[in-house]
Amino acid sequence: GQQLNQSPQSMFIQEGEDVSMNCTSSSIFNTWLWYKQEPGEGPVLLIALYKAGELTSNGRLTAQFGITRKDSFLNISASIPSDVGIYFCAGQLLGAQKLVFGQGTRLTINP
Amino acid sequence: GAVVSQHPSWVICKSGTSVKIECRSLDFQATTMFWYRQFPKQSLMLMATSNEGSKATYEQGVEKDKFLINHASLTLSTLTVTSAHPEDSSFYICSARDFSTRRSSYNEQFFGPGTRLTVL
Repeated sequence: GQQLNQSPQSMFIQEGEDVSMNCTSSSIFNTWLWYKQEPGEGPVLLIALYKAGELTSNGRLTAQFGITRKDSFLNISASIPSDVGIYFCAGQLLGAQKLVFGQGTRLTINP
Repeated sequence: GAVVSQHPSWVICKSGTSVKIECRSLDFQATTMFWYRQFPKQSLMLMATSNEGSKATYEQGVEKDKFLINHASLTLSTLTVTSAHPEDSSFYICSARDFSTRRSSYNEQFFGPGTRLTVL
């Protein structure tokens, strides 16, 4: 089935640093979504992207829909302790109802 | 944003028993709901897509007779794990699609808080 390659798998950073993670696919996606999941909870939508080249921000978070429609990245600026969690990218193929998820990026922040 | 609830939040059961998990969209109508399973330190794996008033569509490798899904209303879908065994222990998460915000390429899914199932 479809797969999304998300990297890095984990990150250990200092508070205040910027973070960057990305997802790539061999398939063209129509929608890219970025979610954050905290322990014992369901994923929460951070940013949704609908058009190739689209760059969208949500506070300190910025995400872009790649021009080729096969990739997306998420940046977090000036990280704070509450940014800790697992970040997932998810893509939707044109005409499909379901989402395909990346493997996740586990973010750990040292204060 | 739209709110999705799940009940129970956690459940422990004996091997061989059945467990029902509810997923509700609280402030919107969801024609489509999705059921995922997540093992520790892994990503979400889609189990099935549940459409209101029709049979669920199961992903390859998911036993439909073991994981019974019912989507009888626009705000409720249930997942029943029948004859549960320890290997069924996992974190089960549902999501619901907000039909009212649908557009040609838009498919935002709102996730529930998950249900942790432990089978002894």
